[in-house]
Amino acid sequence: TQLLEQSPQFLSIQEGENLTVYCNSSSVFSSLQWYRQEPGEGPVLLVTVVTGGEVKKLKRLTFQFGDARKDSSLHITAAQPGDTGLYLCAGALWGAGSYQLTFGKGTKLSVIP
Amino acid sequence: KAGVTQTPRYLIKTRGQQVTLSCSPISGHRSVSWYQQTPGQGLQFLFEYFSETQRNKGNFPGRFSGRQFSNSRSEMNVSTLELGDSALYLCASSLGRTSGRGPEQFFGPGTRLTVL
Repeated sequence: TQLLEQSPQFLSIQEGENLTVYCNSSSVFSSLQWYRQEPGEGPVLLVTVVTGGEVKKLKRLTFQFGDARKDSSLHITAAQPGDTGLYLCAGALWGAGSYQLTFGKGTKLSVIP
Repeated sequence: KAGVTQTPRYLIKTRGQQVTLSCSPISGHRSVSWYQQTPGQGLQFLFEYFSETQRNKGNFPGRFSGRQFSNSRSEMNVSTLELGDSALYLCASSLGRTSGRGPEQFFGPGTRLTVL
């Protein structure tokens, strides 16, 4: 069973601060995805990282995939209240025409104005 | 393009009853996956359907079942409801093609099921 551990579980910061969320696994995934979920809605895909060591930037968000493809991090610069939400990482494994996503339990981020 | 829709949005049932949830994927998407989300366990994969066939299944008891119709709409059924089945049930649709980047799934807003 592949498990994804996310830390921290909860994070409350002031507007303008920086933060990093971590996603770790003992297993190797083919790719890793990050989602954000807001109350009353389903998760929305932010980014997919595939290559070990890959770094992707999405405005103030920076995503990194570990060299061994077992861990990932999400860094937010100058957090804003609109960044508030539940951040989920998900590891993807596929083969023989099917796939399965394993999700971490998420990091609940609150950005206080 | 309309997003993924799920009905109903909220549902209250009692123990022992059964429930059917519905999911309409994005037009052109042939894959529908179902997930259960709870505060304690997070998002857990239930099953995936592609072209009316169950292609993958998570680790849930046989009380949880699903099906997909020829128009790609999907339903999931939970029989003999237990208190622990209270959760947000999410469905996600995708094109279903295998690729190196993994599935690009689009989630619906979910059905909030409460079992009393």
